[in-house]
Amino acid sequence: DTGVSQDPRHKITKRGQNVTFRCDPISEHNRLYWYRQTLGQGPEFLTYFQNEAQLEKSRLLSDRFSAERPKGSFSTLEIQRTEQGDSAMYLCASSLTGEYEKLFFGSGTQLSVL
Amino acid sequence: AQSVTQLDSHVSVSEGTPVLLRCNYSSSYSPSLFWYVQHPNKGLQLLLKYTSAATLVKGINGFEAEFKKSETSFHLTKPSAHMSDAAEYFCVVSDGGAGNMLTFGGGTRLMVKP
Repeated sequence: DTGVSQDPRHKITKRGQNVTFRCDPISEHNRLYWYRQTLGQGPEFLTYFQNEAQLEKSRLLSDRFSAERPKGSFSTLEIQRTEQGDSAMYLCASSLTGEYEKLFFGSGTQLSVL
Repeated sequence: AQSVTQLDSHVSVSEGTPVLLRCNYSSSYSPSLFWYVQHPNKGLQLLLKYTSAATLVKGINGFEAEFKKSETSFHLTKPSAHMSDAAEYFCVVSDGGAGNMLTFGGGTRLMVKP
């Protein structure tokens, strides 16, 4: 069990550019979540997958955001036409169905939009 | 909709003294409540959970929390602080739905003085 891994750890980009983050959950976990955390705040739910199906999306997830989990394993989160307000820590978490309360979080990807 | 309020953004204690981190919740149904801890450069880790069983919940590293419905509180305590307890602590409520979307409080930074 290597835990939830996220790549990259840090990303600096210019406003208007597209960025993509990757999350590798714990291998036997069928649920995968994306959260966003801004400085001084708690994480906010963005979206979650059950296997490859995206079952819920927050209103925070604008049309510029898209997430995929094509084979029910790793997931990607893409932000198009980044804005300065997108600067945040993007956290991925995974869990087993039936043990939903025990989320395992990755260390996150810190995005800075200049 | 459910929410949690952490009453202190920062708490400072001396090593060996008790810890109290306060949390109030708002929920229209019987909630599931959690405390997560976030150490610098590490992923969020589940500390303990309350899911309508015993009202006094014991977690890892000597932490415990008591669910008080009459006060809508779920305060986190530890009898004796250790330097390694210095971290950010989040009180969390679940929406109770199939997706288990978690709503985080704003966090309390615990500082432990030698």
